[in-house]
Amino acid sequence: ETGVTQSPTHLIKTRGQQVTLRCSSQSGHNTVSWYQQALGQGPQFIFQYYREEENGRGNFPPRFSGLQFPNYSSELNVNALELDDSALYLCASSLASGRPTEQYFGPGTRLTVT
Amino acid sequence: EDQVTQSPEALRLQEGESSSLNCSYTVSGLRGLFWYRQDPGKGPEFLFTLYSAGEEKEKERLKATLTKKESFLHITAPKPEDSATYLCAVQAAGGSYIPTFGRGTSLIVHP
Repeated sequence: ETGVTQSPTHLIKTRGQQVTLRCSSQSGHNTVSWYQQALGQGPQFIFQYYREEENGRGNFPPRFSGLQFPNYSSELNVNALELDDSALYLCASSLASGRPTEQYFGPGTRLTVT
Repeated sequence: EDQVTQSPEALRLQEGESSSLNCSYTVSGLRGLFWYRQDPGKGPEFLFTLYSAGEEKEKERLKATLTKKESFLHITAPKPEDSATYLCAVQAAGGSYIPTFGRGTSLIVHP
């Protein structure tokens, strides 16, 4: 069984640039969620995708967008980067079952915006 | 608005010194409460899911319990390898499965 993987591991961008982060779900999972985690904080929910459709969104502006592909892998895109976007971005996969189920997280992508 | 508060923010224990971490929550109907462990620079690792008051789950030195207002993560005779940040997350009743995470408790166990 393959776990959740994310790429890249680290990334440094300049304010105003755009970035794409990638995530491969755990085998057999059909739902992927993205989180932003600032230092010393808990993960903040960005959005969730289920069968290629956005299934919920947190309090993040539209410049945060995403995609889920038929193989359930996913991308997080952030446009017009701001300094406050510097954080650990986590991807989590799960299997939708009609009741809340645990999520399996990837190692994260550390984004630094200068 | 759903709220999750974890206490203490940080906890230092001596090896073998048992203690408990608290997660109090305010949600409009609890669907599920989750505990995760997070090591520095890594993604959270799933520990437990609790669905209803009175439920308990155990794994090695960890035991999670749930009431209608809070959950406890009891750590019995901890070892240095138990050092990590422990996160609590809740999912509330409603149309989506959006979890709300607390800020976590940073646990350090000294040998």
